[in-house]
Amino acid sequence: AQTVTQSQPEMSVQEAETVTLSCTYDTSESNYYLFWYKQPPSRQMILVIRQEAYKQQNATENRFSVNFQKAAKSFSLKISDSQLGDTAMYFCAFLRGSTGANSKLTFGKGITLSVRP
Amino acid sequence: DVKVTQSSRYLVKRTGEKVFLECVQDMDHENMFWYRQDPGLGLRLIYFSYDVKMKEKGDIPEGYSVSREKKERFSLILESASTNQTSMYLCASSGPHRDRHTFGSGTRLTVV
Repeated sequence: AQTVTQSQPEMSVQEAETVTLSCTYDTSESNYYLFWYKQPPSRQMILVIRQEAYKQQNATENRFSVNFQKAAKSFSLKISDSQLGDTAMYFCAFLRGSTGANSKLTFGKGITLSVRP
Repeated sequence: DVKVTQSSRYLVKRTGEKVFLECVQDMDHENMFWYRQDPGLGLRLIYFSYDVKMKEKGDIPEGYSVSREKKERFSLILESASTNQTSMYLCASSGPHRDRHTFGSGTRLTVV
């Protein structure tokens, strides 16, 4: 079974600064996907960024980037130039790469990020 | 815009009631999921379905059942609601691109 660990329950960052959210995972799979989801107070889960395990290059989406360390099973999210709208809960998630009925996500416990003005 | 719609945003039910949470998607997705979200526990999978009338238990199926009679609709059923089922319930779906999940905006259920 896969596990996803987010050990920091809360973080705070000053507007315009950079913050890194940590995530580790455990799996015996070689083919998988990793995700960071954002859940603002509206409760709508929004995909921030995704990483395919077989790609060595770290994914980036505008101000969001990941540091994917496959051997260490680590997948951290870096938010640059933090904005007030980044205030939300962030979840790290894992998806097996095999097809069929194994398309369920495994989530970490989440981290609450607060951006201070 | 593609959507996953959950019928209620807030719901208050009494202990022992039979509760139905409805989820509808308009993307012709094969896979649908019900997650439960609790503070400090993240999202945990209750049940999922990969086709009409097909279902599989997730990590915490006890006290719940599901129904998928049509491809677009996936219902979560609490046969006899209990106070420990007070929680946020999130529905999601995914299609051919299995790594693309779309979520509903959640139902906050309170059982009193």
